[in-house]
Amino acid sequence: QQQVKQSPQSLIVQKGGISIINCAYENTAFDYFPWYQQFPGKGPALLIAIRPDVSEKKEGRFTISFNKSAKQFSLHIMDSQPGDSATYFCAASSGSWGKLQFGAGTQVVVTP
Amino acid sequence: GAVVSQHPSRVICKSGTSVKIECRSLDFQATTMFWYRQFPKQSLMLMATSNEGSKATYEQGVEKDKFLINHASLTLSTLTVTSAHPEDSSFYICSARGAKRGVVDTQYFGPGTRLTVL
Repeated sequence: QQQVKQSPQSLIVQKGGISIINCAYENTAFDYFPWYQQFPGKGPALLIAIRPDVSEKKEGRFTISFNKSAKQFSLHIMDSQPGDSATYFCAASSGSWGKLQFGAGTQVVVTP
Repeated sequence: GAVVSQHPSRVICKSGTSVKIECRSLDFQATTMFWYRQFPKQSLMLMATSNEGSKATYEQGVEKDKFLINHASLTLSTLTVTSAHPEDSSFYICSARGAKRGVVDTQYFGPGTRLTVL
């Protein structure tokens, strides 16, 4: 039973467009929400993370929006580039020592 | 930044042999290390959690006698796949979590090890 539900499964976006990936969770104890980017044959790399005390966090072209009441959070990739083509995983954990619960992943393809 | 290395990056072995994979945190002390397994086009599946100096905690369904984990120091954890079989072929990824301020609950992942069992 997946504790974090991620959608869509795959996404094709044109260069310069906005990629949006959504995640939803049920466990209200979750208090840490990271996003990871993974290229084929490589390990996941931490992209950006947010805690429930803020509704939005931006780092460069990547923005996390967080809706605590709806128990949803999303990743927005602005001005998408072909180099952003990768699989993106959302995750959630509770407490400083909790295990990460991963979403199923979203394969993003940015066309030139 | 926080860097985690894995060695080897890929290994091919014969059925019945054992394979050891090393995971090192290069620039921070990792109080906790995690081992994941990932099948093609799937998410990461947590196999076990290890804390330095104590026995690993395995997830349900993971055979602890088959996947031996040793977290010998604050910068090194090893995963040994014993008596490997073709169904053990997978991408194994470790991650490390440190106690340094600012990274206390962030997991940093290694580059992964591709295991192929013939």
